[in-house]
Amino acid sequence: GAVVSQHPSWVICKSGTSVKIECRSLDFQATTMFWYRQFPKQSLMLMATSNEGSKATYEQGVEKDKFLINHASLTLSTLTVTSAHPEDSSFYICSAIGDSNQPQHFGDGTRLSIL
Amino acid sequence: KQEVTQIPAALSVPEGENLVLNCSFTDSAIYNLQWFRQDPGKGLTSLLLIQSSQREQTSGRLNASLDKSSGRSTLYIAASQPGDSATYLCAVGGPGLTFGKGITLSVRP
Repeated sequence: GAVVSQHPSWVICKSGTSVKIECRSLDFQATTMFWYRQFPKQSLMLMATSNEGSKATYEQGVEKDKFLINHASLTLSTLTVTSAHPEDSSFYICSAIGDSNQPQHFGDGTRLSIL
Repeated sequence: KQEVTQIPAALSVPEGENLVLNCSFTDSAIYNLQWFRQDPGKGLTSLLLIQSSQREQTSGRLNASLDKSSGRSTLYIAASQPGDSATYLCAVGGPGLTFGKGITLSVRP
């Protein structure tokens, strides 16, 4: 089956640090990748949609200068949380699809803790 | 704005029971509906995908139905097992997905 790999699984860092999270589709070409965020006891919330070779589309309320997304190839998308602060602490998870008729396949997520 | 509701938030049943997990959504203009399973500390495993033109999908002991007009989906789990214990998420797309909060299922041996 389709496999999506996400790294790192855990990040703990100081306030003001920038953190990069990678999302890779291992056995298929992902035309579209998605980034979600989940706060404790809340639903997963879509942050942005990323298409290979083009700028990401951000959901309302998500700061594009804070959460930089790069989708440079059909197998890799990165999310960089710039100048992270404690309120950015959350569970970040990516997904990928090959085409819109296929299910989204998710990575295992990244738990980010900003001290 | 699409809203997805899953009630109850938690469910505990004895092994062997047949289960129905419910999901409702407010906007019927969806591309598809997907059911996922999430184990503690893990990512999401896709269980079933129903396209907007379809009414149901089956995989093994799982059957999911979709009624767009009423904004409802159900996930049926036959002969539940302790290994089915997990959080079950319903999500509508798309293509980006809107998720419910999930139903945490515990199947007692």
